[in-house]
Amino acid sequence: KAGVTQTPRYLIKTRGQQVTLSCSPISGHRSVSWYQQTPGQGLQFLFEYFSETQRNKGNFPGRFSGRQFSNSRSEMNVSTLELGDSALYLCASSLGTIASTDTQYFGPGTRLTVL
Amino acid sequence: QKEVEQDPGPLSVPEGAIVSLNCTYSNSAFQYFMWYRQYSRKGPELLMYTYSSGNKEDGRFTAQVDKSSKYISLFIRDSQPSDSATYLCAMSSPDTGRRALTFGSGTRLQVQP
Repeated sequence: KAGVTQTPRYLIKTRGQQVTLSCSPISGHRSVSWYQQTPGQGLQFLFEYFSETQRNKGNFPGRFSGRQFSNSRSEMNVSTLELGDSALYLCASSLGTIASTDTQYFGPGTRLTVL
Repeated sequence: QKEVEQDPGPLSVPEGAIVSLNCTYSNSAFQYFMWYRQYSRKGPELLMYTYSSGNKEDGRFTAQVDKSSKYISLFIRDSQPSDSATYLCAMSSPDTGRRALTFGSGTRLQVQP
């Protein structure tokens, strides 16, 4: 079974630009969550999508947004990039059920550098 | 104070040693507890998952959750050089969303051959 895939793997942008990252979940998984990982703050939850609806949101400014398509693929957008947005952006997928055994599996991440 | 505290290490052990990794947390609503392993420049890989309290064993790995002390542990037996990585504890609650994981800062483990 193929794992979570993220594209692109590396990205370089300049301040003020916007960026879109893509995530394809494991086949059959309907929940996609996004995380930001930086050396200073560690791994922080951005938001979760399930059945094309945002189900949960972390404590990030409105410049960070996302969406999910009917095939469960998800995109994350960051507008008006700041230097502090340089990070590894990770996507995680899960079945999205209420079963206590449902867990998240992470993709390899997209490394974003803002100059 | 962070919700989840984890010693960043680095922790250096000889091959074959038993490794103990720990996290403490402050939010008593946490019900789901996970351990992830992350190699350099890779995404986190799920190692162990525990719901509520108790122990769970999988091969060389044992996870323990003590909710009364707000303390979780991961034990690695017969450690191998390939276990050298950063180990992240993660947890979540039904209240704020079980998939909204709160992570520790990670412990860097080095297993010396």
